Amino acid sequence: EVQLLESGGGLVQPGGSLRLSCAASGFGFSSYAMNWVRQAPGKGLEWISLISASGGTTYYIDSVKGRFTISRDNSKNTLYLQMNSLRADDTAVYYCARKSGSFFYYFDYWGQGTLVPVSS
Amino acid sequence: QSALTQPHSVSGSPGQSVTVSCTGTGSDVGGYNYVSWYQQHPGKAPKLMIYDVTERPSGVPDRFSGSKSGNTASLTISGLQAEDEADYYCCSYGDTSYVFGTGTKVTVL
Repeated sequence: EVQLLESGGGLVQPGGSLRLSCAASGFGFSSYAMNWVRQAPGKGLEWISLISASGGTTYYIDSVKGRFTISRDNSKNTLYLQMNSLRADDTAVYYCARKSGSFFYYFDYWGQGTLVPVSS
Repeated sequence: QSALTQPHSVSGSPGQSVTVSCTGTGSDVGGYNYVSWYQQHPGKAPKLMIYDVTERPSGVPDRFSGSKSGNTASLTISGLQAEDEADYYCCSYGDTSYVFGTGTKVTVL
């Protein structure tokens, strides 16, 4: 069974940093691109970043470029999101999501999310 | 990229059909056949319902269907059931990035 389990969320002050983790199990983690998607309280979903299966290629939404870094450790089956210079509008539930395959462009499995409130 | 445009809410009685639209541009919805739809119940993670505009993953009831015309994609729920009440989001690939829709609350009357 495919499972994605996020951790690392919690209250952080504006300007602070946080690292989220997503532990994957039940599939060949190193064969799949992975993503982070966030959802502000009461708002819609927002894709923020993708990392290729090998980790060699990354993409970001403009609003997090230069502040967030996506990475992965295929030996530990774990995806990461390093978030720096956090702002109040980064407050959201952060989901990790698997991209279905090399030639597919959708997210077939999602974690349960981890909440990141940014507030003083 | 700007969020794809969806109606804020749609509603229908059990057994009826409802359609949720999703309007983008030629750089996302209109440019690729990579529109997907996600169902989200309150406090839960999104669930894939439709991918590649019209394809349904195994386990998703066949009352859910998708289509696209130009820059607008649509999700139709036929034979609406109580458990279909949820938020629905479209998503499109668009040249190394993804953009979600604004979300639609489907209410079963």
